[in-house]
Amino acid sequence: DQQVKQNSPSLSVQEGRISILNCDYTNSMFDYFLWYKKYPAEGPTFLISISSIKDKNEDGRFTVFLNKSAKHLSLHIVPSQPGDSAVYFCAASAFGTYKYIFGTGTRLKVLA
Amino acid sequence: DSGVTQTPKHLITATGQRVTLRCSPRSGDLSVYWYQQSLDQGLQFLIQYYNGEERAKGNILERFSAQQFPDLHSELNLSSLELGDSALYFCASSVDGNVGNTIYFGEGSWLTVV
Repeated sequence: DQQVKQNSPSLSVQEGRISILNCDYTNSMFDYFLWYKKYPAEGPTFLISISSIKDKNEDGRFTVFLNKSAKHLSLHIVPSQPGDSAVYFCAASAFGTYKYIFGTGTRLKVLA
Repeated sequence: DSGVTQTPKHLITATGQRVTLRCSPRSGDLSVYWYQQSLDQGLQFLIQYYNGEERAKGNILERFSAQQFPDLHSELNLSSLELGDSALYFCASSVDGNVGNTIYFGEGSWLTVV
């Protein structure tokens, strides 16, 4: 049972345009969400997070939106840069469970 | 550099064998997580430790075991290895293991079972 789903395995975007990566979850108890970026041969690195008490969090070019009623979150990257090309994972957790459940990832390719 | 150190980086072993993967968390972090990433799969949560005690368990096989030592480093032991155990194993650490704290990943240990 995949509780966190990233239904798009890959995405290609032109440099300078917006990249939108999507993530859906099934467990309504999830109340903390994170996005990680992973380059080949490296471990995932933390990008941005959001708590369920918010519906938006921004950090520079990265914005995460949370729609609790739809059990959906998205990561917006504006403007996209070639260095953003990586695999992006969303993760979710519920307070008290001590574990993060990850999606299967979306491979983003930003074309110069 | 996340500050999480994993050894070995690469390991090739035969079916039926046993291996140990080692992880040193970031300085000051008390909690360690282990994740498995198989080909085209997401990061599967295996187990979490906090200050030497097991705190959460995921889809960890009975052939696998882990522990966290008093110096806070952790080891993941994989035994009776099968071809399907070939994967990238990540260790991660956080300050106290509570949700709301960022977890930092090591570079992973590539295990190939032949």
